[in-house]
Amino acid sequence: NAGVMQNPRHLVRRRGQEARLRCSPMKGHSHVYWYRQLPEEGLKFMVYLQKENIIDESGMPKERFSAEFPKEGPSILRIQQVVRGDSAAYFCASSPLQSSYNEQFFGPGTRLTVL
Amino acid sequence: QKEVEQDPGPLSVPEGAIVSLNCTYSNSAFQYFMWYRQYSRKGPELLMYTYSSGNKEDGRFTAQVDKSSKYISLFIRDSQPSDSATYLCAMSPNAGGTSYGKLTFGQGTILTVHP
Repeated sequence: NAGVMQNPRHLVRRRGQEARLRCSPMKGHSHVYWYRQLPEEGLKFMVYLQKENIIDESGMPKERFSAEFPKEGPSILRIQQVVRGDSAAYFCASSPLQSSYNEQFFGPGTRLTVL
Repeated sequence: QKEVEQDPGPLSVPEGAIVSLNCTYSNSAFQYFMWYRQYSRKGPELLMYTYSSGNKEDGRFTAQVDKSSKYISLFIRDSQPSDSATYLCAMSPNAGGTSYGKLTFGQGTILTVHP
C-alpha cells in the first residue's frame, strides 16, 4: 500500500512565479491536510480538505495561497507570485475517516526554494 | 506564549540509555496527543497517539499524558543509533470543534544516540 505521495520533491521558482504542489493521499483516505515547515520552526497547519470541500483554512495566508482537492486527481496547493519568505518544506498528510482525523500520515514533502 | 512548548535540545545520549522527551501545552481543548519522528529531510512518521490522560506502550516506546498538568512525555527504552531523529509532539482538539482536523505541533527535539 503506497504511502502519501507528493510531487515534485524539490521545486525552484523565481520571485513572482507560481508554484503548484501536488499531493496524492494514501489509498482509501479522503481527508487531506497541508502543513508548512519553515527553517528552524515546527510544522504549521495550513488547510484541511475533503473531496471538493475546504473544511478548515484557518492557517492559510490570506493572499496568494489556495488549495483544492477535486473529485478526481490529487490535492493541489497553489502559491501565486512567490516571494523568498515562501521558501519552506510543504508537507501533505492524509487520514482515512473523520473519526481518525488525528491519525494523519505524512508524505515526504516538497521543498520549495524561491530565488 | 506558544500553544505547545517543546525543548528543541539537542539531546545526546549513549546507546542503551532511556530517553525522555516532553511537551507542555496551554490549550485545555486538546484531547488527542501524538508523537512523530522525523528523519532529516523526510516527512514525519507517526509513532504514538493517545486520547486524554494515561499511558500507552508500544515496544520500546511509552507515551504518557497528564492533562491536569498539561504535560505529555515520550520515553524511549534501550535507545539505538537508529533512533537519532527529530521528535515532534502534536495535539488536536476533540471532534466537533472548529479545528478538529488541525494538528498543533511542538518545535521538535533533536535526538542523537551515539554508539
